[in-house]
Amino acid sequence: EADIYQTPRYLVIGTGKKITLECSQTMGHDKMYWYQQDPGMELHLIHYSYGVNSTEKGDLSSESTVSRIRTEHFPLTLESARPSHTSQYLCASSERGYGYTFGSGTRLTVV
Amino acid sequence: GQQLNQSPQSMFIQEGEDVSMNCTSSSIFNTWLWYKQDPGEGPVLLIALYKAGELTSNGRLTAQFGITRKDSFLNISASIPSDVGIYFCAGQLVDFNKFYFGSGTKLNVKP
Repeated sequence: EADIYQTPRYLVIGTGKKITLECSQTMGHDKMYWYQQDPGMELHLIHYSYGVNSTEKGDLSSESTVSRIRTEHFPLTLESARPSHTSQYLCASSERGYGYTFGSGTRLTVV
Repeated sequence: GQQLNQSPQSMFIQEGEDVSMNCTSSSIFNTWLWYKQDPGEGPVLLIALYKAGELTSNGRLTAQFGITRKDSFLNISASIPSDVGIYFCAGQLVDFNKFYFGSGTKLNVKP
């Protein structure tokens, strides 16, 4: 049973549109993460948060932005989508010292 | 970021065979995790290791935390078709908030 939810699962959108990918978790975890992953490839950390009002950029540069106004919610926004943003975006959360719980991901296609 | 070297990159095996894969790093890790990812889904945690030398099993899966704390191994015994997927290792440094992921091992099992 998933305790971390991502919506939408699939999104096809035109170039230049603004989009927000949603991520919510019900476990009360302080730490949340966004990873970008091309199909069958490795995961790249693009954003993370250690708690409310805390956000940091990850190891892979990304044009997306994130916010953390509530513990359970960590949305990712692209102000102007481009074909190069086509990828799978995975959200995860964790407690200190324990492994990540991942959502099912959002498969984004920008046409 | 930290580099985890995961091998092999891919494997093609016959159903019933045993499988081994490993991750190595030049850094010392406090925690090692092993995940499995099915196509179009988020990674799911298989095994977590917290102590050097620890050997932990989960059904047909066995993983070990290397004594040097720089490596970890995952073995799958008597493989079955549903073992197909991508297996990722992840290591955590003294900073308890972030994990670093290997590049994945793609496992294919022929019935």
